[in-house]
Amino acid sequence: KQEVTQIPAALSVPEGENLVLNCSFTDSAIYNLQWFRQDPGKGLTSLLLIQSSQREQTSGRLNASLDKSSGRSTLYIAASQPGDSATYLCAARYGNKLVFGAGTILRVKS
Amino acid sequence: SAVISQKPSRDICQRGTSLTIQCQVDSQVTMMFWYRQQPGQSLTLIATANQGSEATYESGFVIDKFPISRPNLTFSTLTVSNMSPEDSSIYLCSVVRGQETQYFGPGTRLLVL
Repeated sequence: KQEVTQIPAALSVPEGENLVLNCSFTDSAIYNLQWFRQDPGKGLTSLLLIQSSQREQTSGRLNASLDKSSGRSTLYIAASQPGDSATYLCAARYGNKLVFGAGTILRVKS
Repeated sequence: SAVISQKPSRDICQRGTSLTIQCQVDSQVTMMFWYRQQPGQSLTLIATANQGSEATYESGFVIDKFPISRPNLTFSTLTVSNMSPEDSSIYLCSVVRGQETQYFGPGTRLLVL
């Protein structure tokens, strides 16, 4: 069964701290892996997409890594800001289907 | 990126009734996807809608409960039929663009009483 797990479920950090969100997937035959941000009452915003042949992707203060063989991905957020507070979701693509993790609720305190 | 709009944005419905959700995309796409996010949970794929053919449903979802239409390459509807409180969820429309990046609409928040 294809499952995606995210750890931790919730995280609270002071502003300016660097942090890492973890994502693991049971079936390594992914096509790609995508990280999203979800704000309360809103839809999903795509943050980063990593193809299965890639090791990492960077966008601004965000860096996502992928290790297919171990079934893991991490999202690194540098110099966190209160505006980063949201739920972060990772999703593994298998064919046409995205399998989502339950998310990490991030709170950055000012 | 992709611009996706959904109608309605939210609704409160009585059990036993049906609600049709509309999804409009800013340009043509081959496949459109419908996801559900139940309260406190993550997203689950309901079905994939191709233009000109029957939608493909995931395990646990059936056409009688969630009929889908795909009349053209920019539009789709999802109907939630004979609703019960367990159908209270956010329903999201989604498309794939570029290098397989998936984009989501703003969602339809449904509360069934």
